[in-house]
Amino acid sequence: GENVEQHPSTLSVQEGDSAVIKCTYSDSASNYFPWYKQELGKRPQLIIDIRSNVGEKKDQRIAVTLNKTAKHFSLHITETQPEDSAVYFCAASRGNQFYFGTGTSLTVIP
Amino acid sequence: DAGVIQSPRHEVTEMGQEVTLRCKPISGHNSLFWYRQTMMRGLELLIYFNNNVPIDDSGMPEDRFSAKMPNASFSTLKIQPSEPRDSAVYFCASRPGSKGDYGYTFGSGTRLTVV
Repeated sequence: GENVEQHPSTLSVQEGDSAVIKCTYSDSASNYFPWYKQELGKRPQLIIDIRSNVGEKKDQRIAVTLNKTAKHFSLHITETQPEDSAVYFCAASRGNQFYFGTGTSLTVIP
Repeated sequence: DAGVIQSPRHEVTEMGQEVTLRCKPISGHNSLFWYRQTMMRGLELLIYFNNNVPIDDSGMPEDRFSAKMPNASFSTLKIQPSEPRDSAVYFCASRPGSKGDYGYTFGSGTRLTVV
């Protein structure tokens, strides 16, 4: 089956700086890659996703890049704000089942 | 749209008792998933349904766990008997269709504590 690895497990940045979270996957047939944000005590919420036929997607301060050859994808958050502090999960899918990474705890220091 | 609705939000029970968690998916979503989240193991898929039919239950820990989806708008996850190691947050999620590029919508979760 698919194996998704996510790094780093924790990340601290100063407010206003950028944050990058990286994931790798093992199944070359995976074709859909969503990212979820989970605030403390709340449910994971989809923040951005990318399909395998696209190399990059941007939505305001967040962007995701995908390198199919290398089988890795990354989440980029620019101009970080304290409200960006949360756990972020990546996932890979080629059908109905998502395979999640282990999560990155992001802390934005005011 | 009220989103995915789970109940109860919190459940505290004694070891050995039966626990039933409930989920109402988003109307029109054909796929439903049960996940368990712990600090140690992250998000684990327990079982998922397509059009009310269980497709993959390989993540169900053992026979103490069972799940049903009697109709398109309701699913249950039952643990009997419950054990302290079952303590976790259980999320239900739904998704439109069995294929396609759509992310899951998660419910608010049920925090289960078995003492």
